[in-house]
Amino acid sequence: EIVLTQSPGTLSLSPGERATLSCRASQSVSSYLAWYQQKPGQAPRLLIYGASNRATGIPDRFSGSGSGTDFTLTISGLEPEDFAVYYCQQYGGSPETFGQGTKVEIK
Amino acid sequence: QVQLVQSGAEVKNPGSSVKVSCKASGGTFSSYTISWVRQAPGQGLEWVGRIIPIAARANYAQKFQGRVTITADISTTTAYMELSSLTSEDTAVYYCARCIATPTGGGNWFDPWGQGTLVTVSS
Repeated sequence: EIVLTQSPGTLSLSPGERATLSCRASQSVSSYLAWYQQKPGQAPRLLIYGASNRATGIPDRFSGSGSGTDFTLTISGLEPEDFAVYYCQQYGGSPETFGQGTKVEIK
Repeated sequence: QVQLVQSGAEVKNPGSSVKVSCKASGGTFSSYTISWVRQAPGQGLEWVGRIIPIAARANYAQKFQGRVTITADISTTTAYMELSSLTSEDTAVYYCARCIATPTGGGNWFDPWGQGTLVTVSS
């Protein structure tokens, strides 16, 4: 099974700052990578699929990049509602697996 | 627009079974695949299994093989996940989610998700 490693574990930033989250796969997943946002007590919400495609209704401050084993989620200017936990998920290998998450917290 | 609504929280004794439901509305239930993903308290996300309702075909993560059964009722647009031989390690929020696949290959990403069902296993 493909292991996804997210870094950092926690990112402490102020509103308006740029957030850069990393996800590394233990083997190539091509561009078969998604990103989710999860707030406390809520279900995950799809942000990005196919490594770089924004899901419907997702603001353009969220962008994804990468292919193969190294991926990045960038939030260009943090809004108060963006402070949450972010997970990457690969679907290039079976079974689908998730990273352990990166928490973006208010500094 | 697809919406998934799950059944309520459950408290179960060790060794028993739990069955969680996921009712879909919007879209065409028989045309998509439903997965179940769980999240232990304070932990990450773990895929449990999926079902293709129109084919009544399910497949499961190896970790849960023999202990989980996922079914679907097209007439009521509801999917079910039953987990047996429960232990405290099964305490988690269980989510259903619609699977979306790319036509060029690969597996599935998940959108949307149900609101989650907390299953607590405790004596």
